[in-house]
Amino acid sequence: AQKVTQAQTEISVVEKEDVTLDCVYETRDTTYYLFWYKQPPSGELVFLIRRNSFDEQNEISGRYSWNFQKSTSSFNFTITASQVVDSAVYFCALDNYGQNFVFGPGTRLSVLP
Amino acid sequence: EAGVAQSPRYKIIEKRQSVAFWCNPISGHATLYWYQQILGQGPKLLIQFQNNGVVDDSQLPKDRFSAERLKGVDSTLKIQPAKLEDSAVYLCASSSRLAESYEQYFGPGTRLTVT
Repeated sequence: AQKVTQAQTEISVVEKEDVTLDCVYETRDTTYYLFWYKQPPSGELVFLIRRNSFDEQNEISGRYSWNFQKSTSSFNFTITASQVVDSAVYFCALDNYGQNFVFGPGTRLSVLP
Repeated sequence: EAGVAQSPRYKIIEKRQSVAFWCNPISGHATLYWYQQILGQGPKLLIQFQNNGVVDDSQLPKDRFSAERLKGVDSTLKIQPAKLEDSAVYLCASSSRLAESYEQYFGPGTRLTVT
């Protein structure tokens, strides 16, 4: 069975600090996709990134960066110079090419001014 | 481009009553998902449609939950009869291609309270 673990339930940082959200996954499949979603207080889930299991290159998008390490089954998400608007619940997720989609329990990030 | 539409946004019912939720996906999206998100947890997939066929309903409590997607466009999720533990936000999402695992676009959700 597939599983996604986000060990950090809640994180609080002060604005402009860097913060890393951890994600560890389990799957028996050799091909899969990993995702990160953001759920702001408004409640609507927002897609952030998708990563194919064959592509272990790290990715940077503005203040966001993702570190995918297949050897440790981790897909961590870093926000650089955090802002108050980054406050949200962040979910890591996994699927097998469109099937068996599984979300992690989420990490609530609070960025304090 | 219009997003995923859901209605109603809020619903309060008593246990043992029935309730139905509606979802209209993004135009052209063949894949539609229903999730249940209990407070403080990640969304749990209930059912996934590809056009009007069911791809995965392994986590759908079929004794009380049902879903349909007639004509492969909008979809309805029904609970009959509701239990207290069904209190949650029900999210609908759609994506454009099943095999390519394109990102899912989520609707605003329906918050259900069962008393």
